[in-house]
Amino acid sequence: SAVISQKPSRDICQRGTSLTIQCQVDSQVTMMFWYRQQPGQSLTLIATANQGSEATYESGFVIDKFPISRPNLTFSTLTVSNMSPEDSSIYLCSGRDAGYGYTFGSGTRLTVV
Amino acid sequence: DQQVKQNSPSLSVQEGRISILNCDYTNSMFDYFLWYKKYPAEGPTFLISISSIKDKNEDGRFTVFLNKSAKHLSLHIVPSQPGDSAVYFCAANSYNQGGKLIFGQGTELSVKP
Repeated sequence: SAVISQKPSRDICQRGTSLTIQCQVDSQVTMMFWYRQQPGQSLTLIATANQGSEATYESGFVIDKFPISRPNLTFSTLTVSNMSPEDSSIYLCSGRDAGYGYTFGSGTRLTVV
Repeated sequence: DQQVKQNSPSLSVQEGRISILNCDYTNSMFDYFLWYKKYPAEGPTFLISISSIKDKNEDGRFTVFLNKSAKHLSLHIVPSQPGDSAVYFCAANSYNQGGKLIFGQGTELSVKP
């Protein structure tokens, strides 16, 4: 299965600033996803990252707040914009390969102060 | 609307005994189910999956059972080992949901020596 490198692993940011999280996959994946895990909660899907086009966002998430790029089949970024303390979460990227295997990055633990 | 539910937030088991983690779902269109294990500060790691055309899948110490009529699946770990202590998430997918995974809330398993 694919291996996903995600960075940064953690960050502490000031409110009102933005943070970009990167995910690099070591092999091609058909689909990439971004999830958020708030403290003590499940993994909530933010959006599906589409290669070369706008991401598909889930209800409650918007492009202005969480812009996503996926310029090729092995790389994607998620930006958390204009951050507030409520954005403090773990953010995870995931890739699905052609064999229906889903792999996750190690996560980015974001704290907004 | 929580489509995938894990009603037990925690489970404690003695080493060597069986651990049974349960998961219920509401969407009858789900056709593929997965279990993930997650340690703190790491991304979820794939454990085992099952297609809706099967009712059982086994991989070493891990067995997943699917009861479609009850919309219920369970993960059995036997024998349980202290290294199995982690949070376990069940996830579901359907072809018409574009490949995205819907996660339950997770169950924290503690295996005591």
